[in-house]
Amino acid sequence: DGGITQSPKYLFRKEGQNVTLSCEQNLNHDAMYWYRQDPGQGLRLIYYSQIVNDFQKGDIAEGYSVSREKKESFPLTVTSAQKNPTAFYLCASLPQAGGASTGELFFGEGSRLTVL
Amino acid sequence: GQSLEQPSEVTAVEGAIVQINCTYQTSGFYGLSWYQQHDGGAPTFLSYNALDGLEETGRFSSFLSRSDSYGYLLLQELQMKDSASYFCAVDVQGGKLIFGQGTELSVKP
Repeated sequence: DGGITQSPKYLFRKEGQNVTLSCEQNLNHDAMYWYRQDPGQGLRLIYYSQIVNDFQKGDIAEGYSVSREKKESFPLTVTSAQKNPTAFYLCASLPQAGGASTGELFFGEGSRLTVL
Repeated sequence: GQSLEQPSEVTAVEGAIVQINCTYQTSGFYGLSWYQQHDGGAPTFLSYNALDGLEETGRFSSFLSRSDSYGYLLLQELQMKDSASYFCAVDVQGGKLIFGQGTELSVKP
């Protein structure tokens, strides 16, 4: 079955540690996204990538880094510079960006990060 | 800057009709999407409007007025399983989607 796989589902880390969240898709979608969601809040865009080897900052990129070396993979690193990283992280993909966009994001099941 | 406004919560009874509004002020506009999210889950896509007018998909309909920077999601024949959070999202750059804060819908028996 095609879809988006995020891992790990739950992650605990100590302050000062970097952590990498994995996101893999086998939908052959061009664009991939990382959003952060805090309790009772909407989704805030961290980074997005519309093509391999290229990505753009979203509204809350500080303290995060990404790479897009392969079409199917878009890992997110939460660095120690992120002051309040405890949140629900959602990876998503879009079949096509640009004028062909249909606005239909496909989401993974999410990763819950807790900083102890 | 970008801003999307939607009510924080709405309550309705089973079988009723409810409308969730979304107004937006964004630097660009390609289209308006709606998503549903149940507690603890991932958002799922409901509808997309790129042009003015009404789109109908089963019990759900979505409307867009680009001149008014306004859209709404209409849910008919409400069921208990419709209790969830609903988000509007604007595609501001042909693939950059910005989300509203969400509307929590509670459906009562």
